[in-house]
Amino acid sequence: EIVLTQSPGTLSLSPGERATLSCRASQSVSSSYLAWYQQKPGQAPRLLIYGASSRATGIPDRFSGSGSGTDFTLTISRLEPEDFAVYYCQQYGSSPPDTFGQGTKLEIK
Amino acid sequence: EVQLVQSGAEVKKPGESLKISCKGSGYSFTSYWIGWVRQMPGKGLEWMGIIYPGDSDTRYSPSFQGQVTISADKSISTAYLQWSSLKASDTAMYYCARPRGEWLFHDAFDIWGQGTMVTVSS
Repeated sequence: EIVLTQSPGTLSLSPGERATLSCRASQSVSSSYLAWYQQKPGQAPRLLIYGASSRATGIPDRFSGSGSGTDFTLTISRLEPEDFAVYYCQQYGSSPPDTFGQGTKLEIK
Repeated sequence: EVQLVQSGAEVKKPGESLKISCKGSGYSFTSYWIGWVRQMPGKGLEWMGIIYPGDSDTRYSPSFQGQVTISADKSISTAYLQWSSLKASDTAMYYCARPRGEWLFHDAFDIWGQGTMVTVSS
């Protein structure tokens, strides 16, 4: 089973700043089968990025994903107030099971 | 509109059985896998298993194998997650979710149900 480790656990930033979230895998993720999700309190997760770098339908271009192998990054270029949430990475190339990272909480500074 | 609609919140006692549901609409239910994801209170997401309603092919996470049963009734476009004997540690929000691509379970989940909260308490 591939273990995903996200860092930092909590990221405190202000609107307008750039956010960089990391996801490291315990072994190489097949074909960059890496996704990022956003979850706000009381809501289901929302897919942001799939295939490590492709934005899902309707996702603003301030969200971008990069990386391959074992190291992946989600970047939010200029934070909007609605971007403060918890973010999860997921690998789906070596399943079952798919695995999720433990999450990064992005909070307002 | 493509959507997954889950059954309502449940409050059960330890040892009781439970079956929760996830109804798909707006797409070909038999062409897409449906997965289940657990989220314990204040915690992260855990992939439990996935089913292909077209032929009921089912895969489980080793962590959940034998603890839950995933099934589907394609005639009513509904997937299920069931427990035969609940424990307090089953208290969690449970989400169903659909991968992006037809026939693929190696894919990200782009459609999610609203979640079903299961509370197990004596």
